[in-house]
Amino acid sequence: GQNIDQPTEMTATEGAIVQINCTYQTSGFNGLFWYQQHAGEAPTFLSYNVLDGLEEKGRFSSFLSRSKGYSYLLLKELQMKDSASYLCAVTNAGNMLTFGGGTRLMVKP
Amino acid sequence: DSGVTQTPKHLITATGQRVTLRCSPRSGDLSVYWYQQSLDQGLQFLIQYYNGEERAKGNILERFSAQQFPDLHSELNLSSLELGDSALYFCASSDGQGVYTGELFFGEGSRLTVL
Repeated sequence: GQNIDQPTEMTATEGAIVQINCTYQTSGFNGLFWYQQHAGEAPTFLSYNVLDGLEEKGRFSSFLSRSKGYSYLLLKELQMKDSASYLCAVTNAGNMLTFGGGTRLMVKP
Repeated sequence: DSGVTQTPKHLITATGQRVTLRCSPRSGDLSVYWYQQSLDQGLQFLIQYYNGEERAKGNILERFSAQQFPDLHSELNLSSLELGDSALYFCASSDGQGVYTGELFFGEGSRLTVL
C-alpha cells in the first residue's frame, strides 16, 4: 500500500516563504505531484518530480529525495491568493495516483 | 477551464436512492479517473478507465460502479446511497494509460448531498 504524510495546516505571512513537507512510502515509485486546491474547487497541477533534485517554476519550487521518501513544496513571495490546500500525490508501479490528505495553507496580511 | 466537464454540478437526494454522475474528458484524453473527496478529507481514488477498459481500482464500494463509453465519456453510478456518501466527486482525465508523465486535468466536481 501507500502512505503519504503532510501537515494538516500551516500559516504564513504575505510576502514570506513557506515550505510544505511531504513524506511517503510506496512500492514502485513512479513520480510525485503537487496540486493546489482552493476550497470547493478542482485541484490544479503545480509540479511533477520523478528524479532527485529541485524543480523551479516561478514562485513555486518542488524538491524530491527518493532515497528518503521526502518532498517539499516551496512557495516564495506569498500572496493572499496562495491560501489553499496543497496536495502531495504519489504514483506507483500499479499506475495509481494516490493523494495525501493535503495541507491547508492560510496566508495572513 | 480544464476541458473536463462534469454534470450535474450539484445533486441532492435521499438515502437509498441511486444517482449517476457524468464526465466528459478533455478532447483526445483516453483515461478517465474518478475521485471522492469528503468534507475536510483528501482525494480518495475510486477507479480509472482507459479507452473503455477498467485500468485500476481503488477504494470503490460495491454499491458504486462506473463505465467508460465508446465516445470516452464516463459515468459513475452510486446506489443504495447512505449519508456518508455525501461528498464532492471529481473526474479527471489524462492522455496516458497509466504511467504518469504528465498531469491530471480535473473537472469542477459534482457535489452530492444525501439527506
